[in-house]
Amino acid sequence: QVQLQESGPGLVKPSETLSLTCTVSGGSISSYYWTWIRQSPGRGLEWIGYIHYSGSTSYNPSLKSRVTISIDTSKNQFSLKLSSVSVADTAIYYCARGSYYGSSGSYYDYWGQGTLVTVSS
Amino acid sequence: QSVLTQPPSVSGAPGQRVTISCTGSSSNIGAGYDVHWYQQLPGTAPKLLIYGNTNRPSGVPDRFSGSKSGTSASLAITGLQAEDEADYYCQSHDKSLSALYVFGTGTKVTVL
Repeated sequence: QVQLQESGPGLVKPSETLSLTCTVSGGSISSYYWTWIRQSPGRGLEWIGYIHYSGSTSYNPSLKSRVTISIDTSKNQFSLKLSSVSVADTAIYYCARGSYYGSSGSYYDYWGQGTLVTVSS
Repeated sequence: QSVLTQPPSVSGAPGQRVTISCTGSSSNIGAGYDVHWYQQLPGTAPKLLIYGNTNRPSGVPDRFSGSKSGTSASLAITGLQAEDEADYYCQSHDKSLSALYVFGTGTKVTVL
């Protein structure tokens, strides 16, 4: 059974960089689209971006200038960096596995439990 | 941020049938992209419920069914049970300048 687990600081100061790692167990990180999604009361579920095991990435245009997603296949991990954070970036951050569904892109069949990141001084 | 619109809440008595709509536009559902549905129980991560408009992953009861027509999709729950009380979200691909993948606004299902 595939499992995903987020890890990283739960509190980040404004203007600093949010860094999270997702560890994948029970399956290989090869193939699939490894994705970050966040959820907050004001913004609902928001797709942040993905990285394919090949290294190709795609980001939400609204966050693109601040987001970097990377992958370490040797450790079965992928990571999120979000720079210059503000209070508006406070949310539960989920990592998820995207399974390709043809021209319609991906659906998310496995999710991490989520980690709350609060941006506050 | 959400470009897929869902009713904030629906409710029904145990055993009844409820439906949740997901309304998009010509840049997502109306463009022919498939719709996927997720169930989120309180305090947990979303769980895949329906993929590709109508398909249930292994382990999802056949009480849950999905459909799609035009710029909208629907999730139906028949034989509503207390354990179905949760938030439900639709998701699709979008070809506009917005995010590549978009989620619905979410619907709270209450079992009376």
